[in-house]
Amino acid sequence: NAGVTQTPKFRVLKTGQSMTLLCAQDMNHEYMYWYRQDPGMGLRLIHYSVGEGTTAKGEVPDGYNVSRLKKQNFLLGLESAAPSQTSVYFCASSYSGRFQTQYFGPGTRLLVL
Amino acid sequence: GDSVTQMEGPVTLSEEAFLTINCTYTATGYPSLFWYVQYPGEGLQLLLKATKADDKGSNKGFEATYRKETTSFHLEKGSVQVSDSAVYFCALRTTSGNTPLVFGKGTRLSVIA
Repeated sequence: NAGVTQTPKFRVLKTGQSMTLLCAQDMNHEYMYWYRQDPGMGLRLIHYSVGEGTTAKGEVPDGYNVSRLKKQNFLLGLESAAPSQTSVYFCASSYSGRFQTQYFGPGTRLLVL
Repeated sequence: GDSVTQMEGPVTLSEEAFLTINCTYTATGYPSLFWYVQYPGEGLQLLLKATKADDKGSNKGFEATYRKETTSFHLEKGSVQVSDSAVYFCALRTTSGNTPLVFGKGTRLSVIA
């Protein structure tokens, strides 16, 4: 059981480049989430998904797009990277229901120059 | 909207000292409350949770009690160890259960020998 995995672990981009971060979970969770973590800001929700084929905006969605074509995968895309998107990105997943634990991946560190 | 406020860090303690990290929340209804911990270089993991008023969550010597009257969920440990050095996040999920966790900004704890 790998849990939640994220690819890549680290990436450097130039301003204007695009990239996709991949999140995969093997726990058959309905819900998946993308957060970014910045110093002094805690965790901020970018987008989330409550099921295959559905996505919703979180607190800071601008500049990002997501897709959930398969239940186990949740992709986060940056179409035109900006230095303000330098951050650590965490994916998480959970079952539905208010008592459920969110399980987090190890994170992807992104540097945009 | 729903929100979580936790004490600002960093908190530095000597080994075997008593730890309290304050957390208060604002939410409609009766949310579920969580403490997550993030060790250096890792993703977040659940430390403990409480799902209704007066519940006490506990794990690894840490405890937190859901206090509805003061809208608080303070984290405590009687005797901290160097290995407890980490960032601690308080979080809530609303009654509907269909929304992601709302996190506080995190409190960094450093324990020195």
